[in-house]
Amino acid sequence: KQEVTQIPAALSVPEGENLVLNCSFTDSAIYNLQWFRQDPGKGLTSLLLIQSSQREQTSGRLNASLDKSSGRSTLYIAASQPGDSATYLCAAINDYKLSFGAGTTVTVRA
Amino acid sequence: NAGVTQTPKFQVLKTGQSMTLQCAQDMNHEYMSWYRQDPGMGLRLIHYSVGAGITDQGEVPNGYNVSRSTTEDFPLRLLSAAPSQTSVYFCASSYSKGGELFFGEGSRLTVL
Repeated sequence: KQEVTQIPAALSVPEGENLVLNCSFTDSAIYNLQWFRQDPGKGLTSLLLIQSSQREQTSGRLNASLDKSSGRSTLYIAASQPGDSATYLCAAINDYKLSFGAGTTVTVRA
Repeated sequence: NAGVTQTPKFQVLKTGQSMTLQCAQDMNHEYMSWYRQDPGMGLRLIHYSVGAGITDQGEVPNGYNVSRSTTEDFPLRLLSAAPSQTSVYFCASSYSKGGELFFGEGSRLTVL
């Protein structure tokens, strides 16, 4: 069974600092890995999808890396802003099933 | 684009009552799924479908039924609600196996 872990569980940084969010998974035979953002009381918004053949994916200030052999993915958010405050979830995609981490709750202080 | 639409957004049930959570997507996605999100447990897969007429169980299927008669709709039925089913339910869809998953806004269910 795929197990996904996200460390740290919570993170508080001053505005402008770069964010580094970690995700690890136990089964390296994944199709893809997806990062999401969730605001309180809301649904999940897709941020980045990294295909298993890729090592990284970028969108604006977001960059996600994937190392299948070590079972790790990292989400980097450059020059953080208060609007980046949210919970960030990673999900490992095996076949048709996603396994989610518990998330990292980020607070960016103005 | 409406994307993935879930109704109702909020629902309160009494133990033993039945209800259906509706999910519809307008992106012509073959794959649809239901998750529940509970504090400390994360998101867990309940049921999923890889196309009209095809459904399968996820991690926590007990107490829930699904069917998929059209590509667009994937309702989740609670036959006899229990307090343990108090949760936030999310419907999601993707174009293909392993593809980018899109989520609805969620349905918050309370069972008394």
